[in-house]
Amino acid sequence: DVKVTQSSRYLVKRTGEKVFLECVQDMDHENMFWYRQDPGLGLRLIYFSYDVKMKEKGDIPEGYSVSREKKERFSLILESASTNQTSMYLCASSLTPHGRYTFGSGTRLTVV
Amino acid sequence: KNEVEQSPQNLTAQEGEFITINCSYSVGISALHWLQQHPGGGIVSLFMLSSGKKKHGRLIATINIQEKHSSLHITASHPRDSAVYICAAQSGGGADGLTFGKGTHLIIQP
Repeated sequence: DVKVTQSSRYLVKRTGEKVFLECVQDMDHENMFWYRQDPGLGLRLIYFSYDVKMKEKGDIPEGYSVSREKKERFSLILESASTNQTSMYLCASSLTPHGRYTFGSGTRLTVV
Repeated sequence: KNEVEQSPQNLTAQEGEFITINCSYSVGISALHWLQQHPGGGIVSLFMLSSGKKKHGRLIATINIQEKHSSLHITASHPRDSAVYICAAQSGGGADGLTFGKGTHLIIQP
């Protein structure tokens, strides 16, 4: 089975800190995605990548950036964390643009 | 942009009951995904379908492309089915991810 691993389950950071969320998949998937999930809003797409060094903005990219230097790793960066970025962050990958998704177990980030 | 609506938002049922969760979307799609999220956050893909019906164990997913509607059914429900069920629409364009419904919080009581 494809595995998508997110480096932390829980994270507490201070306002203004630079935060890195790491995601690694082990099955050579081309496409990787970062979502955030908030109560009442569902999952919203932050950024996605369909190839190494390629990145595309999703619906809510403001305050975030991403890095994909290797195919298996897709990092989400909060340049200067703010309290409104407190959320559950989910990484996902898929082999093809229209294929089945595999999700990581999520990182619950709290910014204080 | 696709609008994805799920109903009901919350559902509590007794063990053994037949469960139906509905999903409608506004724009034509290439596929519809059903996902399950247990407390703690991890999401599991249950089904991906573009037409007809799929079955896996006690779970059945159907889709009506003309009516832009999909349903997830659970037969002989069990407390371990308690979770949030999310439908998500995949548009026909590029690799720009899914549009998600807000989820249905299902509780099955013993």
